[in-house]
Amino acid sequence: KAGVTQTPRYLIKTRGQQVTLSCSPISGHRSVSWYQQTPGQGLQFLFEYFSETQRNKGNFPGRFSGRQFSNSRSEMNVSTLELGDSALYLCASSRGLAGEEDTQYFGPGTRLTVL
Amino acid sequence: GNSVTQMEGPVTLSEEAFLTINCTYTATGYPSLFWYVQYPGEGLQLLLKATKADDKGSNKGFEATYRKETTSFHLEKGSVQVSDSAVYFCALDPGGYQKVTFGIGTKLQVIP
Repeated sequence: KAGVTQTPRYLIKTRGQQVTLSCSPISGHRSVSWYQQTPGQGLQFLFEYFSETQRNKGNFPGRFSGRQFSNSRSEMNVSTLELGDSALYLCASSRGLAGEEDTQYFGPGTRLTVL
Repeated sequence: GNSVTQMEGPVTLSEEAFLTINCTYTATGYPSLFWYVQYPGEGLQLLLKATKADDKGSNKGFEATYRKETTSFHLEKGSVQVSDSAVYFCALDPGGYQKVTFGIGTKLQVIP
């Protein structure tokens, strides 16, 4: 079974630009979660989508948004980029069903550098 | 709210030494517990998990036991190798559509 894929793997943008990252979950998984990872801050939860609906949201400004498509693929968008947005962005997929054991599986991440 | 506490490190060990990375958690109910490992330049990989009290997760020589009485899930390995050098994350999933909570990550350096 193919794993979680993320594209692109690397991005370089300048302040003020916007960026869109993509995540394709494991086949059959309906939940996709996004995390921002920076040195010293660890993994910061951005949001989770399940069946095209945002189910959970972290404490990030409105510049960070996401969506999920009917095939469970997800995108996240960051508008008006700031230097502090430089990070590794990870997505994780899972079955997302409550009441049963669930496990998140991670993609390789997208390394975003803002200049 | 839910939280996971682990030391940030780095933890530096000689090859073949015994490893313990402590993880304690705060959560209501009965969360599932996980250890993930991240090698340089990669995403997180699931290392092991336990879904109920007294369960022991194990994989690749690593073990962790779900201790509800001490709210802990310490990671152990009897003999580490240089290839085990990575960052290790403890995490809990409270279930019921709530988000997964991760610890800060512990960097392990194994020297020959």
